[in-house]
Amino acid sequence: QLQLQESGPGLVKPSETLSLTCTVSGGSISINTDYWGWIRQPPGKGLEWIGSVYYSGDTYYNPSFKSRVTISVDTSKNQFSLKLRFVTAADTAVYYCARRTYYYDTSGHQGWYFDLWGRGTLVTVSS
Amino acid sequence: DIQMTQSPASLSASVGDRVIITCRASQSIHTYVNWYQQKPGKAPKLLIFASYSLQSGVPSRFSGSGSGTDFTLTISSLQSEDFATYCCQQIYSIPWTFGQGTKVEIK
Repeated sequence: QLQLQESGPGLVKPSETLSLTCTVSGGSISINTDYWGWIRQPPGKGLEWIGSVYYSGDTYYNPSFKSRVTISVDTSKNQFSLKLRFVTAADTAVYYCARRTYYYDTSGHQGWYFDLWGRGTLVTVSS
Repeated sequence: DIQMTQSPASLSASVGDRVIITCRASQSIHTYVNWYQQKPGKAPKLLIFASYSLQSGVPSRFSGSGSGTDFTLTISSLQSEDFATYCCQQIYSIPWTFGQGTKVEIK
């Protein structure tokens, strides 16, 4: 059964870089139907999509983060990673990695959803 | 960005109650809405995709409807395991955005 697990420091200093890795186990990250994504949830707030990556390295990001974020993939390790630069206290959140899978609706239009998530990891930005 | 506004922010209900949660998009998004359930300390769980399609393994008491800007998630008979926070998500355009969530609490 496919599982995702986030890992990385739980505490990052302001202005530094937040780095997290998501390890995919029980299956391959190189599936041509799937993208992989990062989503975060600040304490007491809603979910916020950060960006997504394909096994080929193709990426797309939330414009709110685009100047600070890099998402990359390492197929040899079955992992993908998040780097968020110049963090502030506002970046304190639970960070989730997730699998994005597509579907076709009854009209033949393609959509997608996040159907498999990691357990999440809390990252606190503080000096 | 497309804003997803959920209502109510929270509600109290009893086991067996019918619960309806609404989500309004700031522009038409056709049926590109997903619904998730989240319990404290847990990752979100996909319930509904494409506005009304039930994800495999999700109980049939959950249903979704709507198109355009107005969407609903209905729990036909609330069970004890359904007390959680529910949120909608639009996948019509980047950035994909989520509603702020509706917390369903025990009455």
